[in-house]
Amino acid sequence: SQQGEEDPQALSIQEGENATMNCSYKTSINNLQWYRQNSGRGLVHLILIRSNEREKHSGRLRVTLDTSKKSSSLLITASRAADTASYFCATDGTDSWGKLQFGAGTQVVVTP
Amino acid sequence: ETGVTQSPTHLIKTRGQQVTLRCSSQSGHNTVSWYQQALGQGPQFIFQYYREEENGRGNFPPRFSGLQFPNYSSELNVNALELDDSALYLCASSPRVTGELFFGEGSRLTVL
Repeated sequence: SQQGEEDPQALSIQEGENATMNCSYKTSINNLQWYRQNSGRGLVHLILIRSNEREKHSGRLRVTLDTSKKSSSLLITASRAADTASYFCATDGTDSWGKLQFGAGTQVVVTP
Repeated sequence: ETGVTQSPTHLIKTRGQQVTLRCSSQSGHNTVSWYQQALGQGPQFIFQYYREEENGRGNFPPRFSGLQFPNYSSELNVNALELDDSALYLCASSPRVTGELFFGEGSRLTVL
């Protein structure tokens, strides 16, 4: 079973636009991570936010975490065609230390 | 490049057969985790190995087994293959039990 759920399932935008995707989860967490996957390949770590943090930035990425609502969002600013990929949130639960639970992902397509 | 290598990249087996997948972790990483990713789904945690000991297991039957060697490389073995075992199998290493994971490109298994 999946711990998290991403929303939307799919997102189509043009280059230069911002892309926002959301993740909801069910149990208490130590941290929440976002990963990216290009078409059937390995996952690449993007950013980790700890349960006591509310916002984190990395380059064009901005992640927020609301533990009271058990939700997180990932914002990619000024999207590029190379950002086309699937994006997954993964939670590291307090009762399952180190065993990441992934959502089903958001498929993002950025058109030139 | 994450420095995590998996072999083979693709393989085809028939129902009832056995398969062994291999993973070389990034230098200095003592923890290896295995995930199964069905088409269109997020990765599902199979198990984690820390310093050659199993350190947690997901909701997978005993016919899924693993090993971690003194050099921290790892194997995933699946016995009595079923059609539903067809998936991308991802190995991830990390320098500690929790935190960021470094994924390999995966082994795509097709069971006929």
